[in-house]
Amino acid sequence: TQLLEQSPQFLSIQEGENLTVYCNSSSVFSSLQWYRQEPGEGPVLLVTVVTGGEVKKLKRLTFQFGDARKDSSLHITAAQTGDTGLYLCAGENFGNEKLTFGTGTRLTIIP
Amino acid sequence: EPEVTQTPSHQVTQMGQEVILRCVPISNHLYFYWYRQILGQKVEFLVSFYNNEISEKSEIFDDQFSVERPDGSNFTLKIRSTKLEDSAMYFCASSPQGAKGTGELFFGEGSRLTVL
Repeated sequence: TQLLEQSPQFLSIQEGENLTVYCNSSSVFSSLQWYRQEPGEGPVLLVTVVTGGEVKKLKRLTFQFGDARKDSSLHITAAQTGDTGLYLCAGENFGNEKLTFGTGTRLTIIP
Repeated sequence: EPEVTQTPSHQVTQMGQEVILRCVPISNHLYFYWYRQILGQKVEFLVSFYNNEISEKSEIFDDQFSVERPDGSNFTLKIRSTKLEDSAMYFCASSPQGAKGTGELFFGEGSRLTVL
């Protein structure tokens, strides 16, 4: 069974600070996605990373896929209250339609 | 902006009853999925559906579960005889090229199922 562990599980920081969230596995994934989920809503895709070592930037969010394609990180610069939410990583297994979701990081940005 | 819609938003049912959850995927998408999220736990894959048949299913998706796309627009999940442990938020998702294509899945807002 493939598992994706996210850390930290909970993170609460002041507006304007920087933060990094991690997604780790002992398994290799062909691609990895990051989603954000608001209460009462479904996950919304933020980014997909495909190549080992790939870095993608989405405004203040920087996503990195590990060289071995077993881990990923999400870095947020100058966090804003609108960044509050549950962040989920999800790995795609070679040739499969199933996404394996991580355990989630609940982020709270304090004004 | 096109979106995946799900009904009902919340359903309460007695153990042993049949439940049908409905989804209208984005119209030009070809791949359809059901995921579930038990309260406080991670999102879990149930089933994927492509070309009018199941392409993959998880060990959770046993004989009590079935999916159908009866009319080319709706995509339904049926649970024949609900158990207490089926209580969860059920998410439908659709994708233009599938998880192994672009990997871009679009999720609905979910249907909360409570089994008493």
